[in-house]
Amino acid sequence: QKEVEQNSGPLSVPEGAIASLNCTYSDRGSQSFFWYRQYSGKSPELIMFIYSNGDKEDGRFTAQLNKASQYVSLLIRDSQPSDSATYLCAVNTGFQKLVFGTGTRLLVSP
Amino acid sequence: GAVVSQHPSWVICKSGTSVKIECRSLDFQATTMFWYRQFPKQSLMLMATSNEGSKATYEQGVEKDKFLINHASLTLSTLTVTSAHPEDSSFYICSARELLPTGELFFGEGSRLTVL
Repeated sequence: QKEVEQNSGPLSVPEGAIASLNCTYSDRGSQSFFWYRQYSGKSPELIMFIYSNGDKEDGRFTAQLNKASQYVSLLIRDSQPSDSATYLCAVNTGFQKLVFGTGTRLLVSP
Repeated sequence: GAVVSQHPSWVICKSGTSVKIECRSLDFQATTMFWYRQFPKQSLMLMATSNEGSKATYEQGVEKDKFLINHASLTLSTLTVTSAHPEDSSFYICSARELLPTGELFFGEGSRLTVL
């Protein structure tokens, strides 16, 4: 079992819709969780991080964490074509190391 | 926010040569930096943790004699791919954690290596 799993997609949504990206992790002791966006050929950029169970909102983005079920999700409201990218879920497994999922490719059509 | 700079952005080399990639934290000190490798359509795979003033810690399956890491100062870590082969062609990304105020991990721009 992979440590961090994501559906590779692509996830296609129309402009203005809500995009929902999901991630599950295997290490129950993981404490912090990150969502990165990566455009093709570019380095990842941090969108959000979350430590506590529940929701965390930042603009159009909402991260949701459920430690009991070992999943973390990212909701993107009012999706824009510029949101089209690969979204990487990352989990801090300790010792400052992040383990990344394979990413979900999001396509937002105008 | 903090900035991590990588150089070169892309490099093409002949098989058997060595290539050095630099990673600099521009406005903060980083005692620890991380080197990742990403093959096309795959995720980032941690190669090693670079520790300032001491030996790097390599992940399982990563050859330490092939991927030499030097972290000589609090703002610079280098990755040298020795005797590069076409299978080493990849996107290499470094990252560094800003301890204060956010503890956020910042990524360099990445270096695309192509070995002919």
